[in-house]
Amino acid sequence: NAGVTQTPKFQVLKTGQSMTLQCAQDMNHNSMYWYRQDPGMGLRLIYYSASEGTTDKGEVPNGYNVSRLNKREFSLRLESAAPSQTSVYFCASSEARTSGLTDTQYFGPGTRLTVL
Amino acid sequence: ILNVEQSPQSLHVQEGDSTNFTCSFPSSNFYALHWYRWETAKSPEALFVMTLNGDEKKKGRISATLNTKEGYSYLYIKGSQPEDSATYLCALFMNNNAGNMLTFGGGTRLMVKP
Repeated sequence: NAGVTQTPKFQVLKTGQSMTLQCAQDMNHNSMYWYRQDPGMGLRLIYYSASEGTTDKGEVPNGYNVSRLNKREFSLRLESAAPSQTSVYFCASSEARTSGLTDTQYFGPGTRLTVL
Repeated sequence: ILNVEQSPQSLHVQEGDSTNFTCSFPSSNFYALHWYRWETAKSPEALFVMTLNGDEKKKGRISATLNTKEGYSYLYIKGSQPEDSATYLCALFMNNNAGNMLTFGGGTRLMVKP
């Protein structure tokens, strides 16, 4: 099993450009998540998808959109990138058998994004 | 927004030393606490999930305790080895303004010198 995969690994954008970060998991997990990680701060949840067909805002959703394409894939889109979105982005998934509170999250390798 | 605090931010120890660090959180409406280990250039990996006051978990030389009444969890590493060098993250599962989710602390970066 590959686990959680993310593409691309690195990306440089100019302000105002758009791009989509891709995430896929092969563990048949129900829930998927997008986080950003900035120096001196913990992982902050951008959006999550508790199950196929649903998406919900997390702590810092502004400037982002998501699509839960199917059970395996969850993409994050920046419509008009801003320098404040320079960060490392992590996708994660969890089984979410019950309420999710004890579910271990499995993380992808991250995408390092720089917006100039 | 909920504050999950970790201390210290960073820690340097010698190989063989035992060490511990703290995760503090508001004790009200507690659901579950997660610990993750994050090595440089890799992804965070789960260590423990704890839900009950007084819970203790152990995995090899690493153990964790939970006190939900006073709002803290300790992570202990016995006889630190260079391969223990990583950032240790705690995360609280509870309801914040955006819903039920994990809220992460800033992490404790541990460096073990051979």
